[in-house]
Amino acid sequence: GAGVSQTPSNKVTEKGKYVELRCDPISGHTALYWYRQSLGQGPEFLIYFQGTGAADDSGLPNDRFFAVRPEGSVSTLKIQRTERGDSAVYLCASSLERTASPVGANVLTFGAGSRLTVL
Amino acid sequence: LAKTTQPISMDSYEGQEVNITCSHNNIATNDYITWYQQFPSQGPRFIIQGYKTKVTNEVASLFIPADRKSSTLSLPRVSLSDTAVYYCLVASYGSNYQLIWGAGTKLIIKP
Repeated sequence: GAGVSQTPSNKVTEKGKYVELRCDPISGHTALYWYRQSLGQGPEFLIYFQGTGAADDSGLPNDRFFAVRPEGSVSTLKIQRTERGDSAVYLCASSLERTASPVGANVLTFGAGSRLTVL
Repeated sequence: LAKTTQPISMDSYEGQEVNITCSHNNIATNDYITWYQQFPSQGPRFIIQGYKTKVTNEVASLFIPADRKSSTLSLPRVSLSDTAVYYCLVASYGSNYQLIWGAGTKLIIKP
């Protein structure tokens, strides 16, 4: 697509529920990132995909968080047993793959984010 | 991973040139410096990147001294629509690739 698309734009859920956030990256971008952003803070790295595999998941806060990218395009961030502290804007970004374009890989295109509110 | 330090906030006026300086003392040889802009309720948007000396595009200029321990983003003739948060990052090449984001610089442009 023309840009990075994230759905839903807003999600309100109750504590303990399961949520899925979807990211549709730019066509041809093999690198995909998930970030989390709280009010007044910079984005916090969660996970980085290179193709279908998670190249770096060191930012996932605990085992309630999981992300997949089964066909190397669309990615889903899954949060189990949500807690109030999970409330944030979840940002997805995509870029060219590093070995194909080392400089282009630094140019991340972000979606508008999914705002998650856990009551 | 190179950590960056930049001012928390800055004010300026329409038509002025704004310079935002970022320090990145432990930048590595192969690292690039990148800057992003973020408006409320939007994801960050790439502005410019550079390795050394000066880079200019249609939006901004980036000045990087020889030691590369700092960089300055220059926005010429700002307008009210340039009010945003600006992030300086170092893109580190390693076995794992991460961009470490600080809190950014909140730039407010006044009429």
